[in-house]
Amino acid sequence: KNEVEQSPQNLTAQEGEFITINCSYSVGISALHWLQQHPGGGIVSLFMLSSGKKKHGRLIATINIQEKHSSLHITASHPRDSAVYICAGLLSSGSARQLTFGSGTQLTVLP
Amino acid sequence: ETGVTQSPTHLIKTRGQQVTLRCSSQSGHNTVSWYQQALGQGPQFIFQYYREEENGRGNFPPRFSGLQFPNYSSELNVNALELDDSALYLCASSPVRGLGTFFGQGTRLTVV
Repeated sequence: KNEVEQSPQNLTAQEGEFITINCSYSVGISALHWLQQHPGGGIVSLFMLSSGKKKHGRLIATINIQEKHSSLHITASHPRDSAVYICAGLLSSGSARQLTFGSGTQLTVLP
Repeated sequence: ETGVTQSPTHLIKTRGQQVTLRCSSQSGHNTVSWYQQALGQGPQFIFQYYREEENGRGNFPPRFSGLQFPNYSSELNVNALELDDSALYLCASSPVRGLGTFFGQGTRLTVV
């Protein structure tokens, strides 16, 4: 069983639409990262959250600790937002703190 | 630009060979983690190094090994390559055991 479950797997939107990607996680995860991965592989960390809400430009990330649920929102989506979005939980494993990843959401924003 | 650089960016190896992948961490980061991302899947944790010692390992066989150097750069070594080792290998550095993680661009390894 994966500690991080993400949905939807694929999402297609029209330019300008409001987008939400959801992530549920299990006990033991102390913080959540939202990551963006473009074709070619490079991963960019968008947010790291352990409580509340963070905003950066058109991106908003929220986390509900009680429900173990996080969402990534994109307002006024644009074709350049097309990428794979991954949520990753920070998990303590012995003395290491590793990231455990969701399966990713392939977002395509059409002009 | 995250400050984490990996080399090479692409690599083709033959089954049974050995490979070394390199990562130069963000300045000031003493923790480096390596992940394997197979095509169409999320990254999987290989291991983590903190101050030159391995301090955590995922479900990978011993032929996956690593090193971290005093300048906090790192290597991932894979011996006896198998076809299933073909993947994107990602290096991630952080200042304190997993907080504020920064990723490199990855090395695409193809085993033929």
